[in-house]
Amino acid sequence: QVQLVQSGAEVKEPGASVKVSCKASGYTFTRYAIIWVRQAPGQGLEWMGWISVYSGSTNYAQKLQGRVTMTTDTSTNTAYMELRSLRSDDTAVYYCARVGSSSSQGNWGQGTLVTVSS
Amino acid sequence: EIVLTQSPGTLSLSPGERATLSCRASQGVTSSYLAWYQKRPGQAPRLLIYAASTRAPGIPDRFSGSGSGTDFTLAISRLEPEDFAVYYCQHYGSSPPMYTFGQGTTLEIK
Repeated sequence: QVQLVQSGAEVKEPGASVKVSCKASGYTFTRYAIIWVRQAPGQGLEWMGWISVYSGSTNYAQKLQGRVTMTTDTSTNTAYMELRSLRSDDTAVYYCARVGSSSSQGNWGQGTLVTVSS
Repeated sequence: EIVLTQSPGTLSLSPGERATLSCRASQGVTSSYLAWYQKRPGQAPRLLIYAASTRAPGIPDRFSGSGSGTDFTLAISRLEPEDFAVYYCQHYGSSPPMYTFGQGTTLEIK
């Protein structure tokens, strides 16, 4: 069955960087794009960006342009999301998800809590 | 950029009642790219409906989606205790690929 398993919780200081991983299994990794979504405490879902695993093409949310980089490693079936220059308002649970039918996401990682605090 | 506005912000109902949630787009969107998700605390989002009206695998038939153009609806016919959660609509736009979420509707027990 399709599984997306994310890396564990992180605590970072303001200004640092974090890199979250998302290891996929149960399907052909290169056939489906991956998106990243985050949810800050008490807030809604926020789309962060999209990556084509096949081509490596990306598109990021405008508010994160310049601070976020999404990559994949097809040798290990793993997607990565790196966020730099962290601020307190980047504290959130970060999710990866596989893009499937009609570009919706039926498969999600379990989420990774990133806490930004001094 | 398309903005999705969900209403109401909070809906208070009792188990067994019917829930109707609305999602309005700031401009007409392709129904094929409108989805609904359920979000419970501590859990990942769960896909309920895609292409505006198609239930995702394993989703009970008490969940239904409808709509076109700018107005979309998620209906839950007979609320079960596990249905009380936050619901989000989502739109996908291509060229370049991007997603927009509504702000969410909280379905709470009355």
